[in-house]
Amino acid sequence: ILNVEQSPQSLHVQEGDSTNFTCSFPSSNFYALHWYRWETAKSPEALFVMTLNGDEKKKGRISATLNTKEGYSYLYIKGSQPEDSATYLCALPYNNNDMRFGAGTRLTVKP
Amino acid sequence: DTEVTQTPKHLVMGMTNKKSLKCEQHMGHRAMYWYKQKAKKPPELMFVYSYEKLSINESVPSRFSPECPNSSLLNLHLHALQPEDSALYLCASSQGWGEREGRDTQYFGPGTRLTVL
Repeated sequence: ILNVEQSPQSLHVQEGDSTNFTCSFPSSNFYALHWYRWETAKSPEALFVMTLNGDEKKKGRISATLNTKEGYSYLYIKGSQPEDSATYLCALPYNNNDMRFGAGTRLTVKP
Repeated sequence: DTEVTQTPKHLVMGMTNKKSLKCEQHMGHRAMYWYKQKAKKPPELMFVYSYEKLSINESVPSRFSPECPNSSLLNLHLHALQPEDSALYLCASSQGWGEREGRDTQYFGPGTRLTVL
């Protein structure tokens, strides 16, 4: 069974703070890792697909890194804004394109 | 257009009712998915359709019956549900299934919030 762990479960930061959270996974049989942002009452939005050890991806103030040898990925948000408030999910495929999701990190950014 | 639409947004049904959830995408994607998400839990895969054929059924009870009438549409027929089936049901689609070793992004709809009384 592919076990995907995310930490912390929730995070409260002030506007302007930088923050990061973790997705951990078994390092064997790695194919890819997906990050999603999920705002309340909206569709989960794809942020990044990461495939290679050492990958770094960036989208505006959000960036992600990947370490497949030790089985983790970090998501960073620089200068958090209230609109960054959302649940951030990571997911890994375990069979073809079937995804196993982590439980998510719920980020709240206070003005 | 990268939108996946789902109807209805909310559904309340009794245990003897029959209802259907609908999902639509116009991105030319060949794979479509149903997920179930309970509060504070990760989405869990229920069904996968690839090229309009059911490819995966993750041991889902028969009271959930999926249907893929064409490559753009995915339905989930509900009958004789239990209160514990109350959840958010998410639909997703991706360009392919099993062709790019898990690198295909899945695009999600906003979900249908189902309450079974």
